[in-house]
Amino acid sequence: KQEVTQIPAALSVPEGENLVLNCSFTDSAIYNLQWFRQDPGKGLTSLLLIQSSQREQTSGRLNASLDKSSGRSTLYIAASQPGDSATYLCAVRPRPSGGSNYKLTFGKGTLLTVNP
Amino acid sequence: DAGVIQSPRHEVTEMGQEVTLRCKPISGHDYLFWYRQTMMRGLELLIYFNNNVPIDDSGMPEDRFSAKMPNASFSTLKIQPSEPRDSAVYFCASSLQGKGGGYTFGSGTRLTVV
Repeated sequence: KQEVTQIPAALSVPEGENLVLNCSFTDSAIYNLQWFRQDPGKGLTSLLLIQSSQREQTSGRLNASLDKSSGRSTLYIAASQPGDSATYLCAVRPRPSGGSNYKLTFGKGTLLTVNP
Repeated sequence: DAGVIQSPRHEVTEMGQEVTLRCKPISGHDYLFWYRQTMMRGLELLIYFNNNVPIDDSGMPEDRFSAKMPNASFSTLKIQPSEPRDSAVYFCASSLQGKGGGYTFGSGTRLTVV
């Protein structure tokens, strides 16, 4: 059974700092990994999607890396801003194998607070 | 595109009442998912559809829960009868597998059963 762990559970940083959020998963047979952002009381906003054949994806100040063999992904946020404050979730989708191939397994998230 | 649209945004109901949550996926997406989020358990997949056909409903907690997708642009999740422990945020998501399989989530329905 796939398990996804996100460390740390909470992180507080001053504005302008570069930071890294970590995601680890136990089964490396994944199809892709997706990073989401969730604001309080809101839905999930997709940030980056990394296919299993890719090593990283970038969008603006965000960079996500994937090391499938070691079961790890990181989300790097450059020059953090108070508007980046939210919960960040990673989710993995299993490689098609005849079973439930579309069931995303989510981590519990990292609550990020960026202080002005 | 308006994204995945869910209604209502908030629902407060009394125990024992029937509750129906609605979802309109992104046009052209061939997969639709219903998730539930609670503080204790995080995000849990309840059921998903492919081309309007239910594929995996193993996450549906009890027979009180049912979901339908009568056409490609509409799905419902029904709870009958509702119980206080059903209180949670229910999310609908859709995906187009030919586009790398990323998921787009709706804004959710916050259900409170009193």
